[in-house]
Amino acid sequence: GAGVSQTPSNKVTEKGKYVELRCDPISGHTALYWYRQSLGQGPEFLIYFQGTGAADDSGLPNDRFFAVRPEGSVSTLKIQRTERGDSAVYLCASSRTLQETQYFGPGTRLLVL
Amino acid sequence: DQQVKQNSPSLSVQEGRISILNCDYTNSMFDYFLWYKKYPAEGPTFLISISSIKDKNEDGRFTVFLNKSAKHLSLHIVPSQPGDSAVYFCAASGAGGSEKLVFGKGTKLTVNP
Repeated sequence: GAGVSQTPSNKVTEKGKYVELRCDPISGHTALYWYRQSLGQGPEFLIYFQGTGAADDSGLPNDRFFAVRPEGSVSTLKIQRTERGDSAVYLCASSRTLQETQYFGPGTRLLVL
Repeated sequence: DQQVKQNSPSLSVQEGRISILNCDYTNSMFDYFLWYKKYPAEGPTFLISISSIKDKNEDGRFTVFLNKSAKHLSLHIVPSQPGDSAVYFCAASGAGGSEKLVFGKGTKLTVNP
């Protein structure tokens, strides 16, 4: 596709459950980023990948959050033992290389009941 | 501690007039600044950027000004159009060599016909 795609677009889960959020970057983009946007806030950085490796994961809030990008393309953000405070829009972005413009997907709206 | 601040939550202007959106930052290590536009239920869309070695960048109706000594940047939209109505986010990167974007909370622009 032409842009970054994210699935699912919406996810409702119960407290304590495990969720996976998927991101398909723009074809050929080597850098991939995850952000989280809570209501009334700007996006907050979680983690970014250069190729398959996590170059900076300093934004992951705790060890319940984990992200992978095994083949350097698609990435999955995994959240264990979800809490109500995890409810937010999870945004993925990609860029052709590091230091180039980041292009965002539409986001996954996660609601933890 | 907000490193990027957008102190006006909202702004309303008449169609055809100039819109000026402001942004302040605290971290002098930022070396790249961006503006994103966001419509409801969509991801942020890249609008315009500026490197810290410049003080102005122009793209059509959009101009970004950077005042490094004041740690301030602004986005000018001339002339404003109703389709410009959206939330505008200021973002910065480069501190500590990281490519992660640090966002402000956003300013909701309404352009009235």
